[in-house]
Amino acid sequence: KAGVTQTPRYLIKTRGQQVTLSCSPISGHRSVSWYQQTPGQGLQFLFEYFSETQRNKGNFPGRFSGRQFSNSRSEMNVSTLELGDSALYLCASTPGLAGDTGELFFGEGSRLTVL
Amino acid sequence: TQLLEQSPQFLSIQEGENLTVYCNSSSVFSSLQWYRQEPGEGPVLLVTVVTGGEVKKLKRLTFQFGDARKDSSLHITAAQPGDTGLYLCAGEGAGGTSYGKLTFGQGTILTVHP
Repeated sequence: KAGVTQTPRYLIKTRGQQVTLSCSPISGHRSVSWYQQTPGQGLQFLFEYFSETQRNKGNFPGRFSGRQFSNSRSEMNVSTLELGDSALYLCASTPGLAGDTGELFFGEGSRLTVL
Repeated sequence: TQLLEQSPQFLSIQEGENLTVYCNSSSVFSSLQWYRQEPGEGPVLLVTVVTGGEVKKLKRLTFQFGDARKDSSLHITAAQPGDTGLYLCAGEGAGGTSYGKLTFGQGTILTVHP
């Protein structure tokens, strides 16, 4: 079955702009998590959605937001971009059901460069 | 805040050598996962260890979870160029359902030269 699909794969923005990234989870997976990966900080958890509800949130400023649709697809938005937001943004899906293994199935990521 | 210290950060070895990557924390984790990430791709799960003292083997890779569930190690025997990549440890908090939140180590960039 198809894996996690993220779009766009690459994008370049300038400071102050906003960006929306999209994630389609594996079919049947209802939980979608977002991570930011940078060389200095590694992978850091942004937030997780299940059935259109945010269940968990990391320590990122309010400029980072997300949502999930009824088909489990998710988007994340970053407003007022800063140079430090340049990163690989990874989306991961899991079934999200009680007793699942906790394994995260990652997409290939969206590489954001802020100039 | 839970932290995972992963070492070494970089490892460059010759084909056929053995290596060990360490993942340490002062916090207890309910499980510890190891992922491998190749350039241009997302991390892919290698193994999950759940029980303190647990040892799992995956061909030439051996994973161990510490008795106190605060640390883990990954040992590769007779490394091959195909093992090259970024290795990440990730812990699931012991305080209940993590809801997608894993604490990742900084990663170990392994390069195996032919």
